[in-house]
Amino acid sequence: QSVLTQPPSASGTPGQRVTISCSGGSSNIGSNYVYWYQQFPGAAPKLLIYKTDQRPSGVPDRFSGSKSGTSASLAISGLRSEDEADYYCATWDDRVVFGGGTKLTVL
Amino acid sequence: QVTLTESAPVLVKPTETLTLTCAVSGFSLSHPTMGLSWIRQPPGKALEWLAHIFSNDEKSYSPSLRSRLTVSKDTSKSQVVLTMTNMDPVDTATYYCARLDSNDAFDVWGRGTVVTVSS
Repeated sequence: QSVLTQPPSASGTPGQRVTISCSGGSSNIGSNYVYWYQQFPGAAPKLLIYKTDQRPSGVPDRFSGSKSGTSASLAISGLRSEDEADYYCATWDDRVVFGGGTKLTVL
Repeated sequence: QVTLTESAPVLVKPTETLTLTCAVSGFSLSHPTMGLSWIRQPPGKALEWLAHIFSNDEKSYSPSLRSRLTVSKDTSKSQVVLTMTNMDPVDTATYYCARLDSNDAFDVWGRGTVVTVSS
């Protein structure tokens, strides 16, 4: 059972805006940055968002991150078929903790 | 170009000890703002952080697995080694090494290696 709680699945149609939530507590999300990773089947995870709302170079600005209190969110606007993947949130809580992952389906 | 390469897939028997190597290229393990973690993912399940080694050789372990894990590095060989004792079938997973950068993000990942625990 993961320390951070994510919905197991999310879906949207091309062009839509989709949000994936990540819920934690005061000792993790509440007091640390949040990170988001994207993982395609059979591949290693890839950094998508760092320090809650920063995008590494090469990540489209369709992806954005935010945090409020002990919850964080990843928003994907202008949804594309190639965004279909698993998404994991992560933060620190005297160690690295990951969410359980959300499988995003583009309908 | 920064790359991380885990050792080959391995089959281990229950109670045996697992040893994995992560070969690093494109950066130095002694760089003050870099560290390296091991992270695993059982089939169809979520990521689980295991251990981390900092540039100053300080180590950090998952509390639930601390007694079974040892991480070390050989800077001259650009390698990080993870050992896990008393392997069990529930330890079957893909094991990744990942670099932790100055933003505390895992910015580079290896391709992962499959570890199967079975008698």
